[in-house]
Amino acid sequence: DIQMTQSPSSLSASVGDRVTITCRASQGISIYLNWYQQKPGKAPKLLMFSASSLQSGVPSRFSGSGSGTDFTLTISSLQPEDFATYYCQQSFHTPYTFGQGTKLDIK
Amino acid sequence: EVQLVESGGGLVQTGGSLRLSCAASGFTFSTHWMHWVRQVPGRGLVWVSRINSDGSRTTYADSENGRFTISRDNAKNTLYLQMNSLRPEDTGVYYCVRDSLVGATSFDSWGQGALVTVSS
Repeated sequence: DIQMTQSPSSLSASVGDRVTITCRASQGISIYLNWYQQKPGKAPKLLMFSASSLQSGVPSRFSGSGSGTDFTLTISSLQPEDFATYYCQQSFHTPYTFGQGTKLDIK
Repeated sequence: EVQLVESGGGLVQTGGSLRLSCAASGFTFSTHWMHWVRQVPGRGLVWVSRINSDGSRTTYADSENGRFTISRDNAKNTLYLQMNSLRPEDTGVYYCVRDSLVGATSFDSWGQGALVTVSS
Protein backbone atom coordinates (compact mmCIF):
# COMPACT_ATOMS: atom_id res chain seq x y z
CA ASP A 1 0.00 0.00 0.00
CA ILE A 2 1.07 3.59 -0.61
CA GLN A 3 1.68 5.44 2.64
CA MET A 4 0.83 9.13 2.85
CA THR A 5 2.59 11.24 5.47
CA GLN A 6 1.48 14.76 6.29
CA SER A 7 3.39 17.42 8.14
CA PRO A 8 2.90 19.02 10.47
CA SER A 9 0.31 16.98 12.38
CA SER A 10 -0.95 20.17 13.99
CA LEU A 11 -0.48 23.84 13.34
CA SER A 12 -1.48 27.03 15.10
CA ALA A 13 -1.95 30.15 13.01
CA SER A 14 -3.73 33.49 12.97
CA VAL A 15 -6.33 34.96 10.65
CA GLY A 16 -4.53 36.44 7.66
CA ASP A 17 -1.52 34.11 7.89
CA ARG A 18 -0.17 32.14 4.94
CA VAL A 19 -0.11 28.45 5.76
CA THR A 20 1.46 25.49 3.98
CA ILE A 21 0.77 21.80 4.66
CA THR A 22 2.91 19.13 3.09
CA CYS A 23 2.10 15.57 2.06
CA ARG A 24 4.63 12.93 1.06
CA ALA A 25 3.86 9.64 -0.69
CA SER A 26 5.90 6.49 -0.10
CA GLN A 27 6.21 6.05 -3.86
CA GLY A 28 5.62 8.19 -6.92
CA ILE A 29 1.95 8.95 -7.58
CA SER A 30 2.27 11.43 -10.46
CA ILE A 31 -0.40 14.09 -9.76
CA TYR A 32 -3.00 11.70 -8.34
CA LEU A 33 -3.32 13.61 -5.10
CA ASN A 34 -6.42 15.17 -3.54
CA TRP A 35 -6.94 17.42 -0.52
CA TYR A 36 -9.94 17.48 1.84
CA GLN A 37 -11.07 19.73 4.67
CA GLN A 38 -13.02 18.35 7.62
CA LYS A 39 -14.71 20.31 10.37
CA PRO A 40 -15.81 18.72 13.66
CA GLY A 41 -18.92 16.58 13.31
CA LYS A 42 -18.99 17.01 9.53
CA ALA A 43 -18.02 14.91 6.54
CA PRO A 44 -14.84 15.79 4.65
CA LYS A 45 -15.08 18.25 1.79
CA LEU A 46 -13.03 18.06 -1.41
CA LEU A 47 -10.79 21.12 -1.86
CA MET A 48 -8.27 20.18 -4.55
CA PHE A 49 -7.98 17.33 -7.02
CA SER A 50 -5.18 16.16 -9.29
CA ALA A 51 -2.72 18.01 -7.04
CA SER A 52 -3.44 21.53 -8.27
CA SER A 53 -7.02 21.75 -9.56
CA LEU A 54 -9.41 23.74 -7.42
CA GLN A 55 -12.76 22.06 -6.78
CA SER A 56 -15.76 24.09 -7.89
CA GLY A 57 -16.93 26.48 -5.20
CA VAL A 58 -13.69 26.42 -3.19
CA PRO A 59 -12.16 29.86 -2.54
CA SER A 60 -9.12 30.80 -4.59
CA ARG A 61 -7.02 31.36 -1.45
CA PHE A 62 -6.54 27.58 -1.52
CA SER A 63 -3.90 26.23 -3.89
CA GLY A 64 -2.05 22.99 -4.38
CA SER A 65 1.16 21.92 -6.02
CA GLY A 66 3.50 19.00 -6.47
CA SER A 67 3.98 15.79 -8.37
CA GLY A 68 5.70 12.48 -7.82
CA THR A 69 6.10 12.10 -4.06
CA ASP A 70 5.94 15.64 -2.61
CA PHE A 71 2.87 17.86 -2.47
CA THR A 72 1.73 21.02 -0.75
CA LEU A 73 -1.54 22.68 0.13
CA THR A 74 -1.31 26.42 0.69
CA ILE A 75 -3.86 28.79 2.16
CA SER A 76 -2.79 32.28 1.16
CA SER A 77 -4.65 34.25 3.84
CA LEU A 78 -6.36 32.30 6.58
CA GLN A 79 -10.00 33.04 7.23
CA PRO A 80 -11.91 32.08 10.41
CA GLU A 81 -13.79 29.34 8.55
CA ASP A 82 -10.51 27.65 7.50
CA PHE A 83 -9.71 26.30 10.95
CA ALA A 84 -10.25 22.59 10.45
CA THR A 85 -8.41 19.32 9.80
CA TYR A 86 -6.91 18.75 6.38
CA TYR A 87 -6.22 15.39 4.74
CA CYS A 88 -4.35 14.42 1.61
CA GLN A 89 -5.34 11.28 -0.31
CA GLN A 90 -3.73 9.40 -3.18
CA SER A 91 -5.81 8.05 -6.05
CA PHE A 92 -2.91 6.52 -7.96
CA HIS A 93 -3.69 2.96 -6.93
CA THR A 94 -6.10 1.08 -4.72
CA PRO A 95 -6.27 0.85 -1.80
CA TYR A 96 -6.71 4.60 -1.85
CA THR A 97 -4.94 5.94 1.22
CA PHE A 98 -5.14 9.12 3.26
CA GLY A 99 -2.61 11.07 5.25
CA GLN A 100 -3.08 11.14 9.01
CA GLY A 101 -4.41 14.69 8.93
CA THR A 102 -3.20 18.16 9.87
CA LYS A 103 -5.23 19.99 12.49
CA LEU A 104 -5.16 23.74 11.94
CA ASP A 105 -6.27 25.78 14.92
CA ILE A 106 -6.30 29.37 16.01
CA LYS A 107 -3.18 30.76 17.65
CA GLU B 1 -28.45 19.50 -4.81
CA VAL B 2 -26.47 16.30 -4.39
CA GLN B 3 -27.60 14.27 -1.39
CA LEU B 4 -26.24 11.01 -0.01
CA VAL B 5 -28.10 9.64 3.00
CA GLU B 6 -26.75 6.59 4.83
CA SER B 7 -28.80 4.29 7.01
CA GLY B 8 -28.44 0.92 8.69
CA GLY B 9 -25.72 1.63 11.22
CA GLY B 10 -25.90 0.44 14.81
CA LEU B 11 -24.43 -1.71 17.55
CA VAL B 12 -23.51 -5.31 16.75
CA GLN B 13 -21.49 -8.01 18.47
CA THR B 14 -18.24 -9.41 17.12
CA GLY B 15 -19.03 -11.86 14.34
CA GLY B 16 -22.34 -10.23 13.52
CA SER B 17 -23.59 -8.61 10.33
CA LEU B 18 -24.99 -5.27 9.22
CA ARG B 19 -26.10 -3.84 5.91
CA LEU B 20 -25.60 -0.16 5.21
CA SER B 21 -27.66 1.64 2.59
CA CYS B 22 -27.04 4.97 0.92
CA ALA B 23 -29.87 6.75 -0.86
CA ALA B 24 -28.61 9.09 -3.56
CA SER B 25 -30.45 12.04 -5.09
CA GLY B 26 -29.80 15.24 -6.99
CA PHE B 27 -27.56 13.69 -9.64
CA THR B 28 -27.47 10.86 -12.18
CA PHE B 29 -26.47 8.05 -9.84
CA SER B 30 -25.91 5.49 -12.60
CA THR B 31 -23.03 7.46 -14.13
CA HIS B 32 -20.82 7.66 -11.03
CA TRP B 33 -18.50 5.17 -9.40
CA MET B 34 -19.22 5.04 -5.67
CA HIS B 35 -17.18 4.29 -2.56
CA TRP B 36 -17.40 3.59 1.15
CA VAL B 37 -14.91 5.30 3.49
CA ARG B 38 -14.60 4.62 7.24
CA GLN B 39 -13.50 7.01 9.98
CA VAL B 40 -12.82 5.98 13.54
CA PRO B 41 -14.11 8.84 15.72
CA GLY B 42 -11.26 11.25 16.36
CA ARG B 43 -9.01 9.38 13.96
CA GLY B 44 -8.21 9.32 10.28
CA LEU B 45 -9.93 8.14 7.12
CA VAL B 46 -9.75 4.65 5.64
CA TRP B 47 -10.99 3.72 2.18
CA VAL B 48 -13.09 0.55 2.31
CA SER B 49 -14.47 -0.31 -1.11
CA ARG B 50 -15.56 0.97 -4.53
CA ILE B 51 -17.98 -0.07 -7.26
CA ASN B 52 -18.14 1.01 -10.87
CA SER B 53 -21.12 2.76 -12.39
CA ASP B 54 -23.01 -0.33 -13.58
CA GLY B 55 -22.08 -2.53 -10.62
CA SER B 56 -20.00 -5.02 -12.61
CA ARG B 57 -16.66 -4.27 -10.93
CA THR B 58 -15.82 -4.02 -7.26
CA THR B 59 -12.64 -3.47 -5.27
CA TYR B 60 -11.94 -3.83 -1.55
CA ALA B 61 -9.27 -2.96 0.96
CA ASP B 62 -7.42 -6.09 2.08
CA SER B 63 -8.88 -6.10 5.60
CA GLU B 64 -12.44 -6.11 4.23
CA ASN B 65 -11.94 -8.48 1.32
CA GLY B 66 -14.11 -11.56 1.73
CA ARG B 67 -16.15 -10.09 4.58
CA PHE B 68 -17.72 -7.00 3.02
CA THR B 69 -19.75 -6.79 -0.20
CA ILE B 70 -20.47 -3.54 -2.00
CA SER B 71 -23.39 -3.41 -4.41
CA ARG B 72 -25.77 -0.93 -6.00
CA ASP B 73 -29.27 -0.72 -7.44
CA ASN B 74 -29.28 1.99 -10.09
CA ALA B 75 -33.06 1.72 -10.50
CA LYS B 76 -33.42 2.68 -6.82
CA ASN B 77 -30.45 5.11 -6.74
CA THR B 78 -29.08 3.20 -3.78
CA LEU B 79 -25.63 1.97 -2.74
CA TYR B 80 -25.16 -0.86 -0.25
CA LEU B 81 -22.45 -2.30 1.96
CA GLN B 82 -23.08 -5.76 3.41
CA MET B 83 -20.72 -6.32 6.33
CA ASN B 84 -20.26 -9.83 7.71
CA SER B 85 -17.96 -11.35 10.35
CA LEU B 86 -17.62 -7.94 11.95
CA ARG B 87 -14.65 -7.20 14.20
CA PRO B 88 -14.10 -4.45 16.80
CA GLU B 89 -11.64 -2.78 14.44
CA ASP B 90 -14.49 -2.27 11.93
CA THR B 91 -16.00 0.26 14.33
CA GLY B 92 -16.36 3.74 12.90
CA VAL B 93 -18.44 6.15 10.90
CA TYR B 94 -19.05 4.83 7.39
CA TYR B 95 -19.40 7.44 4.69
CA CYS B 96 -21.04 6.88 1.32
CA VAL B 97 -18.93 8.82 -1.16
CA ARG B 98 -19.38 9.83 -4.79
CA ASP B 99 -16.49 9.65 -7.23
CA SER B 100 -16.07 12.74 -9.37
CA LEU B 101 -16.51 12.51 -13.13
CA VAL B 102 -13.68 15.01 -13.59
CA GLY B 103 -10.10 13.75 -13.78
CA ALA B 104 -8.90 10.80 -11.74
CA THR B 105 -10.67 9.44 -8.67
CA SER B 106 -11.59 12.06 -6.11
CA PHE B 107 -14.37 12.05 -3.57
CA ASP B 108 -16.52 15.06 -4.42
CA SER B 109 -19.65 14.39 -2.37
CA TRP B 110 -20.02 12.69 1.00
CA GLY B 111 -22.98 11.54 3.04
CA GLN B 112 -23.41 12.46 6.70
CA GLY B 113 -22.13 9.05 7.80
CA ALA B 114 -23.53 6.00 9.57
CA LEU B 115 -22.02 4.92 12.90
CA VAL B 116 -21.18 1.24 13.24
CA THR B 117 -20.08 -0.05 16.64
CA VAL B 118 -18.79 -3.59 17.01
CA SER B 119 -18.58 -4.79 20.60
CA SER B 120 -16.13 -7.45 21.68
